[in-house]
Amino acid sequence: GQQVMQIPQYQHVQEGEDFTTYCNSSTTLSNIQWYKQRPGGHPVFLIQLVKSGEVKKQKRLTFQFGEAKKNSSLHITATQTTDVGTYFCAGGGSQGNLIFGKGTKLSVKP
Amino acid sequence: DAGITQSPRHKVTETGTPVTLRCHQTENHRYMYWYRQDPGHGLRLIHYSYGVKDTDKGEVSDGYSVSRSKTEDFLLTLESATSSQTSVYFCAISFGTGTDTQYFGPGTRLTVL
Repeated sequence: GQQVMQIPQYQHVQEGEDFTTYCNSSTTLSNIQWYKQRPGGHPVFLIQLVKSGEVKKQKRLTFQFGEAKKNSSLHITATQTTDVGTYFCAGGGSQGNLIFGKGTKLSVKP
Repeated sequence: DAGITQSPRHKVTETGTPVTLRCHQTENHRYMYWYRQDPGHGLRLIHYSYGVKDTDKGEVSDGYSVSRSKTEDFLLTLESATSSQTSVYFCAISFGTGTDTQYFGPGTRLTVL
């Protein structure tokens, strides 16, 4: 079936460094969503991108959806300890379902 | 947060016993989902429902069954629990279509001894 690959699986950064996670699909996605899961918590919706080439920002977070609607990225500028958690992308598949990537676990060293 | 509750929040059981997890929503959302989360595997879809009495299998449905007799409740049953079903189980809901934003419940941590 359709898959959304997410890399890296883990990322350790020093506080203040930037962080990027990438999602890739072999097929066109109808949309891409990003979720954040804090340690011990549940996934929480961050944002949705729908248009080809779309870029959205939330404070230090920048989300991009590729021109071909097959890839996406989340970039965090100047990470803080509050950014710790696992970031998931989820793409709208051809079966009308949402396909989750396996997530990138971010740790931030103060 | 969306009005989603899961019960129980924690459960320890023995191999071979039946277990039922409950997801309850107050949002009147059409879609409901059950996921399991294990280290290295992310979120894996077990079953989902697109309406009362309308359910379908996800990628890891073996050993699990579901029922939805009311819009607000979605039950996940492990007929005969095995140690491989030790996991954290999340329920999620979405409003209109299968690609809409999903809102997750707080999770149930299940341990099968």
